[in-house]
Amino acid sequence: ETGVTQSPTHLIKTRGQQVTLRCSSQSGHNTVSWYQQALGQGPQFIFQYYREEENGRGNFPPRFSGLQFPNYSSELNVNALELDDSALYLCASSAGLAGGDNEQFFGPGTRLTVL
Amino acid sequence: GENVEQHPSTLSVQEGDSAVIKCTYSDSASNYFPWYKQELGKRPQLIIDIRSNVGEKKDQRIAVTLNKTAKHFSLHITETQPEDSAVYFCAASPRGVNFGNEKLTFGTGTRLTIIP
Repeated sequence: ETGVTQSPTHLIKTRGQQVTLRCSSQSGHNTVSWYQQALGQGPQFIFQYYREEENGRGNFPPRFSGLQFPNYSSELNVNALELDDSALYLCASSAGLAGGDNEQFFGPGTRLTVL
Repeated sequence: GENVEQHPSTLSVQEGDSAVIKCTYSDSASNYFPWYKQELGKRPQLIIDIRSNVGEKKDQRIAVTLNKTAKHFSLHITETQPEDSAVYFCAASPRGVNFGNEKLTFGTGTRLTIIP
C-alpha cells in the first residue's frame, strides 16, 4: 500500500460553490500531480507541482488552481463549480529524481459530486 | 498536445489464455509509457512501464512492447487469472525535468474480464 493519502474521500457541492481537495505525498517525494477521472474515462492531467512550483498544466481553466507546501503536500482548489466537474480527483506523488525510474504513486482519490 | 488511443474498450478471455491491449500515441516527443491497472473503486496501480530506449520489457506474466516508428505500444498478459480482471490504462509522456516528473496522458481504458 502506498503512502499517498487524500481528503476528503467524498464531497457533495452545488453549482457555483468552491472546493478544496488535499493530498499528502509519500515520504521523500517532491512532486505531486493532479488528475481528474470522469466516470468510465482515463485520468486527465490537471497540473503538477515540483518543489512548490507549478511544473506544467493540462487543458483546464484557471478556476482550477493549486498549491504545494514546504512538506510537499498539495491542495487542489476549484472555483465556480460546474456540473461537469463531478469526477474522481486523483493525486499522484513521485520522487522526481535526476536518475533512476520513479513511478507516480496514486492516492485513493476524492469523489466530488456537483449538484 | 499528446493524444493516446486505446483498443479494445472491453476484452473477455478464457482463464489461461493471453490478453493483448494496444495503444497508439501522437507526440513523437513522448518517451515514457506506463500501464496502470485499476480495480473497481480503487486507485490506479503501475504494473509495468517502458522508456523509449527499450523495445520490450517483461515482468513475469506481463510484457510491454514499444514501436516508436509506428508510435504504438502494447500490453501482453499471458496465462491470465481471475485476479487479472480490472480496467487497464495505457499512458504516454515526454520526459519530465526528472524521472517522476512526467505528465501522463492516459488512454480511455480497457475493461478486461477473465472467464473462469
